[in-house]
Amino acid sequence: NAGVTQTPKFQVLKTGQSMTLQCAQDMNHNSMYWYRQDPGMGLRLIYYSASEGTTDKGEVPNGYNVSRLNKREFSLRLESAAPSQTSVYFCASRDWGAYEQYFGPGTRLTVT
Amino acid sequence: TQLLEQSPQFLSIQEGENLTVYCNSSSVFSSLQWYRQEPGEGPVLLVTVVTGGEVKKLKRLTFQFGDARKDSSLHITAAQPGDTGLYLCAGFVSGSARQLTFGSGTQLTVLP
Repeated sequence: NAGVTQTPKFQVLKTGQSMTLQCAQDMNHNSMYWYRQDPGMGLRLIYYSASEGTTDKGEVPNGYNVSRLNKREFSLRLESAAPSQTSVYFCASRDWGAYEQYFGPGTRLTVT
Repeated sequence: TQLLEQSPQFLSIQEGENLTVYCNSSSVFSSLQWYRQEPGEGPVLLVTVVTGGEVKKLKRLTFQFGDARKDSSLHITAAQPGDTGLYLCAGFVSGSARQLTFGSGTQLTVLP
């Protein structure tokens, strides 16, 4: 039982490059989330998927797209990376009716 | 402007001292959570409080939810170096159970 896994752990991109961050959970949770964490800003929600087949924008969605591939997997795509997207990205999952969100270990992304 | 304001942002204390971290908002929350995050890892849930005025204890940690459900506090008694970490409050705004809003965090360092 691995919980929430994320790949890659580290990534360096040049401005304008694209990449996809992968997230998978094995807890059969319905809801999945993507956050970014910047110093002094806590975690800010980028996109979420309340259930398989649905996605919604969070607080900071500009420059990102998501895909809920199936119940287990939720990916985050940067089509044209910008230095402002340098951050640590966390994926999380939650079961319906539960309070707790379970987080992955994060992806540290640097855009130069 | 953050919906959840945490204070202090940084706290450095000696082992054995007591401390309190505050989480305040002008909005009403249906529940509030406290997470702890260690370097290189995702946040891990410590506690959830759901009733105004509720107090929960977790060993040396005491959590309180304000009567009006707009604020919360975390008190640590006799802090230990193992308590070092980033403490985050988070909550579901009343009427919105889909998005968890995070505070900016309190970085606690307990010196031996």
